[in-house]
Amino acid sequence: AQSVTQLDSQVPVFEEAPVELRCNYSSSVSVYLFWYVQYPNQGLQLLLKYLSGSTLVKGINGFEAEFNKSQTSFHLRKPSVHISDTAEYFCAVSGTGGSYIPTFGRGTSLIVHP
Amino acid sequence: KAGVTQTPRYLIKTRGQQVTLSCSPISGHRSVSWYQQTPGQGLQFLFEYFSETQRNKGNFPGRFSGRQFSNSRSEMNVSTLELGDSALYLCASSLASGLAGVYEQYFGPGTRLTVT
Repeated sequence: AQSVTQLDSQVPVFEEAPVELRCNYSSSVSVYLFWYVQYPNQGLQLLLKYLSGSTLVKGINGFEAEFNKSQTSFHLRKPSVHISDTAEYFCAVSGTGGSYIPTFGRGTSLIVHP
Repeated sequence: KAGVTQTPRYLIKTRGQQVTLSCSPISGHRSVSWYQQTPGQGLQFLFEYFSETQRNKGNFPGRFSGRQFSNSRSEMNVSTLELGDSALYLCASSLASGLAGVYEQYFGPGTRLTVT
């Protein structure tokens, strides 16, 4: 079984400031990790994924995330946010083998103020 | 390549009625999963179909059912609707079953179901 905890339900930030959205997971098997973004009235769009190899993963729209196995974390970062980054962000963990159906966190609402 | 499409986008039904939602995956994708998204429960997995067979099922009552056709299109049905079934229903497609490797999903825009 696996679980995901997104530590902040809402993160307000000013435009052009850096942001970090936190995600911790637990799993009894090796994992793949994902971050998705959801804009209002839309489905989920994949931002980035960690499968293996380098622990620093770069995604679309200037986002990146770092996989930390010892801390079981996969935090999402962006050095300078824009108004258009205002959205809901979901962290998801998928196990290997028969545990491949992903478990999603409850989401973090990123609110970018001008 | 066209993305995942879901129809209808919005639906209003009355308690006790039934509803059928449709999902067309990305061309070539054989796995389709369905999720229910609500403010209170977040994203919850309903079921996954691969090559017309249900591979996995989430913890939902039997009122929720689905199927997949030979062209990989999928439908989900909810019978005897309850107020609590009001939600955004998301469909996601994947090239293959997760048993073959990483299960990377591509989501459709969802169907917003309102039960009154």
